[in-house]
Amino acid sequence: QQPVQSPQAVILREGEDAVINCSSSKALYSVHWYRQKHGEAPVFLMILLKGGEQKGHDKISASFNEKKQQSSLYLTASQLSYSGTYFCGTEGTNRDDKIIFGKGTRLHILP
Amino acid sequence: DAGITQSPRHKVTETGTPVTLRCHQTENHRYMYWYRQDPGHGLRLIHYSYGVKDTDKGEVSDGYSVSRSKTEDFLLTLESATSSQTSVYFCAISGRQLEAFFGQGTRLTVV
Repeated sequence: QQPVQSPQAVILREGEDAVINCSSSKALYSVHWYRQKHGEAPVFLMILLKGGEQKGHDKISASFNEKKQQSSLYLTASQLSYSGTYFCGTEGTNRDDKIIFGKGTRLHILP
Repeated sequence: DAGITQSPRHKVTETGTPVTLRCHQTENHRYMYWYRQDPGHGLRLIHYSYGVKDTDKGEVSDGYSVSRSKTEDFLLTLESATSSQTSVYFCAISGRQLEAFFGQGTRLTVV
């Protein structure tokens, strides 16, 4: 029951915007977003909770549509440092406390 | 940085041998997870723990067992390693509704 991420890969030029989507087949309690650089561990970006507000940090923000079990990550005016693989992780509403991750979206920013 | 350490960082082992990977945390977090990462599959949950001696299976638990006798340690054991278990293994910790922190990963090669 991995969440489905789209697109699988994105190539952008520095300064362009990107949207990464995450969709689940089950009702969700929360959605997590992480970024992983090559050869490193995933790093937390943000978490969105059921009933919570859209989150944002600098030029990266995310939304969570509870009814559709979908979340989107928005990267505005992308920077070279944004390159990496982005993962969404989901927790179900049955509060079973496990985080299931999608297969990831590879983002490559060109100068 | 969150206090989470994985050991060993690299290991090469022969098919059929038992292998134990260790995850140690100093954050006193309740939840601990073991994931494996393979190209094209993202992060897949093997087992997780929601307290001392409280563990449950994830998506790809066959061939793996875990133990958590202390809050700070979560062990992953491959009873009889197979080549299909060659992978990068990540441990993660989290508090409820908080972000997950990942260890630096263990690269395991089964020959």
